[in-house]
Amino acid sequence: RKEVEQDPGPFNVPEGATVAFNCTYSNSASQSFFWYRQDCRKEPKLLMSVYSSGNEDGRFTAQLNRASQYISLLIRDSKLSDSATYLCAVSNYGGSQGNLIFGKGTKLSVKP
Amino acid sequence: DADVTQTPRNRITKTGKRIMLECSQTKGHDRMYWYRQDPGLGLRLIYYSFDVKDINKGEISDGYSVSRQAQAKFSLSLESAIPNQTALYFCATSPRYRGGRETQYFGPGTRLLVL
Repeated sequence: RKEVEQDPGPFNVPEGATVAFNCTYSNSASQSFFWYRQDCRKEPKLLMSVYSSGNEDGRFTAQLNRASQYISLLIRDSKLSDSATYLCAVSNYGGSQGNLIFGKGTKLSVKP
Repeated sequence: DADVTQTPRNRITKTGKRIMLECSQTKGHDRMYWYRQDPGLGLRLIYYSFDVKDINKGEISDGYSVSRQAQAKFSLSLESAIPNQTALYFCATSPRYRGGRETQYFGPGTRLLVL
């Protein structure tokens, strides 16, 4: 099992749709979880951290399920500008504490 | 001004040439990283540095070397470039480990083509 795996893309959705991405991780000792957004040919940018209690930022909601070892990202009322690749990142635990392991990303395309 | 800068932004070189990619940051972070990104393979860690005297190999360090000249500068060298090192290279920074909330901040990337 790979360390961090994401839903295969691409996701093609109409404007206004709700879309959800999952990301599974293999290291049960992982402490920190993040979602990044990456536009084509640009650098990844932090979208939101994922807290144990779940967290929401406007149309975006992130959840953590430690028992099943996955995190999720829910986007409500999708906008054309949400089109991007979404990367999940999970911190490892041990000698290189703080290093992040990234998923390969899921591409979202929001259509008019 | 950007907090994390990379130079050059684009580079074309030939097989066997030595090249250096440079990264500078004004965020005051202790930790710096070099990744490469290839289509279908995601971000892969090449080297990371927790401070000026602490440099570590990442997942794919073969064919690469690094130098941490100062807290704010971390350079990546390809001693003898080969075509399969053609990729998008990112530098990233993060603050000192304080229990796991530290995220990473990326530079704009360097697009490298090795002919």
